[in-house]
Amino acid sequence: GQNIDQPTEMTATEGAIVQINCTYQTSGFNGLFWYQQHAGEAPTFLSYNVLDGLEEKGRFSSFLSRSKGYSYLLLKELQMKDSASYLCAVTDSNYQLIWGAGTKLIIKP
Amino acid sequence: IAGITQAPTSQILAAGRRMTLRCTQDMRHNAMYWYRQDLGLGLRLIHYSNTAGTTGKGEVPDGYSVSRANTDDFPLTLASAVPSQTSVYFCASSELAGRHTGELFFGEGSRLTVL
Repeated sequence: GQNIDQPTEMTATEGAIVQINCTYQTSGFNGLFWYQQHAGEAPTFLSYNVLDGLEEKGRFSSFLSRSKGYSYLLLKELQMKDSASYLCAVTDSNYQLIWGAGTKLIIKP
Repeated sequence: IAGITQAPTSQILAAGRRMTLRCTQDMRHNAMYWYRQDLGLGLRLIHYSNTAGTTGKGEVPDGYSVSRANTDDFPLTLASAVPSQTSVYFCASSELAGRHTGELFFGEGSRLTVL
């Protein structure tokens, strides 16, 4: 079966760095997405990786290793507003989008 | 502000009742989707539409129906609601149909409770 694994919850301190991991086992691969979802709100797009390597976008970076079925989202200079759930999703060989359950990130002052 | 509008935002419904969740987008996107989100689970696709006039079944279609009479509107209907359909429902759209290689735009969600 197809599976996306990410930690259920993580805690970090304001101003610090946190890495949220995502491992996937899917039938084929056509890209990996990260979305941010604040409590009670809609998911919003953060990043898309289809090739191996690191994509940097301001305080957020996303890394992909297709051979390892692994990605991470790196958040730097954490702010209280970064408290949210972070959703990992993979597009499989049929271009179907498979979602992880999300990682709830708690930022403490 | 351009985007996706869902209605109602929240609804409590008696089991056995019929309910339609409305979704309208003004981005002229080809593809639209309905997801449900439950605690501890990833977003699950209920139904999708790649273009006006066509619809398809997702991962969890039973008990739900959709229609796509035009580009902008994609309503989701629960013919006879059951408690297991208690969930948060998100409508989404994307520019590209059939190929998830681009961003999904989500509505604000409809929280449905079936008693």
